[in-house]
Amino acid sequence: DSGVTQTPKHLITATGQRVTLRCSPRSGDLSVYWYQQSLDQGLQFLIQYYNGEERAKGNILERFSAQQFPDLHSELNLSSLELGDSALYFCASSSPKGGTNEKLFFGSGTQLSVL
Amino acid sequence: AQKITQTQPGMFVQEKEAVTLDCTYDTSDPSYGLFWYKQPSSGEMIFLIYQGSYDQQNATEGRYSLNFQKARKSANLVISASQLGDSAMYFCAMRDMRGYTGNQFYFGTGTSLTVIP
Repeated sequence: DSGVTQTPKHLITATGQRVTLRCSPRSGDLSVYWYQQSLDQGLQFLIQYYNGEERAKGNILERFSAQQFPDLHSELNLSSLELGDSALYFCASSSPKGGTNEKLFFGSGTQLSVL
Repeated sequence: AQKITQTQPGMFVQEKEAVTLDCTYDTSDPSYGLFWYKQPSSGEMIFLIYQGSYDQQNATEGRYSLNFQKARKSANLVISASQLGDSAMYFCAMRDMRGYTGNQFYFGTGTSLTVIP
C-alpha cells in the first residue's frame, strides 16, 4: 500500500459529461501529480501541485482542470468528456526535499470509461 | 525529444533466470535521478529502485539492480532469479533538477515482461 488514496476506482460515464477524480496524498507529502495512462499514449504527465499551488503543467487539455485543497487532497475535473478520454488516471504524491531522489508514490488509479 | 527510451516493448524470461530491461535517457542536467517502476496487471505503480547521477555504485534492492552507465546514458534494470510474480509492465523514469518550478518526472513507454514457468 503506497499510502496514496484515489477514488473512485472505476468510473463509467457518457460523452459530454463531467466527472471529478479525487486523490489523498501520503501523510506529509506536499506534492501531488496527475498522470493519464492510455494504451496508445503511455503515461502522460498532466499537472503537478505543491502545497496548494500549481507547480508544473504537462499535456493537460483545457477541458481538464485540477486543484489542491488546504488539506492537501487534490481533485481532477474532466469535462465535456470524449471517447478518447477513456484511460487510467493516476495520482502520485511526493515530499520534495531538494534532491534527485524524490520518489513518486502512486495511487491505485481511477479507470475512466467514456461510452 | 524523448527523455526516456525503452526499446523493448515485450520480453520473455524463463523462471529463475536473470533478465535485463533496457533504458536510455537524455538530459543535459548534471544532476538527475533515475527510477524504475513496476505495474502488474492489477494496475498500481510500484517503486522498485532509484539511482542518482552522482552515485558511484550501482543501486541494488533485493533481486533488482540498476546497471548505470553514465557515459552511455543508460540505466538498465536487472532482475535476478525471475519469479512468476515478476510478470508485469516495467517503466523507467527520470527526474532532472529544475528546482521546484517545472519539476517533472519523465516516463518511458514501458516493457512488458512475461516470466515463463
